[in-house]
Amino acid sequence: DAGVIQSPRHEVTEMGQEVTLRCKPISGHDYLFWYRQTMMRGLELLIYFNNNVPIDDSGMPEDRFSAKMPNASFSTLKIQPSEPRDSAVYFCASSFGQSNQPQHFGDGTRLSIL
Amino acid sequence: GDSVTQMEGPVTLSEEAFLTINCTYTATGYPSLFWYVQYPGEGLQLLLKATKADDKGSNKGFEATYRKETTSFHLEKGSVQVSDSAVYFCALVNGGYQKVTFGTGTKLQVIP
Repeated sequence: DAGVIQSPRHEVTEMGQEVTLRCKPISGHDYLFWYRQTMMRGLELLIYFNNNVPIDDSGMPEDRFSAKMPNASFSTLKIQPSEPRDSAVYFCASSFGQSNQPQHFGDGTRLSIL
Repeated sequence: GDSVTQMEGPVTLSEEAFLTINCTYTATGYPSLFWYVQYPGEGLQLLLKATKADDKGSNKGFEATYRKETTSFHLEKGSVQVSDSAVYFCALVNGGYQKVTFGTGTKLQVIP
């Protein structure tokens, strides 16, 4: 079975540019999560969706960040404008909606803002 | 709110040594407990889980027992290998929504 697919795997761009990260969850999963991981802050939950509806976006750092899930098989995380402090590894994860079910993570997007 | 506390790393062990990574949690009700592992350059992946008190999760020689009386879920392995070098995260899920509370992660380095 295909796992969670993220693209791109690596992104290097200049400060001020728009960045779009993409995620395809596992088919049949009804939860989707976006995380950010840095050495300083560890793993942070940014936002999560249930049945394509955002449930909790309290972890989104500021208005420069936005996330959408237009359908059950696709989500985007957008940063506009990007800043050097946004450099991190961004993970997408999906799960099937029972509390005893684990999350399945993608391999992440390593984002570098110059 | 819910929280997970795990021991600070890094932990450095020689191959074939015994491993314990401590994890305690704070949560109301009856959470499900998980250990995830993250290898370099990869996302987190489930290592094992336990969904009720006294359950023992096990996988690849790793074990952890859900201890409600001590609110703990310590990870153990009898004989570690170099290939076990990774970051290990303790986590819980509590309630209807699938939001996971993660610990800060413990880096394990196994030397030959």
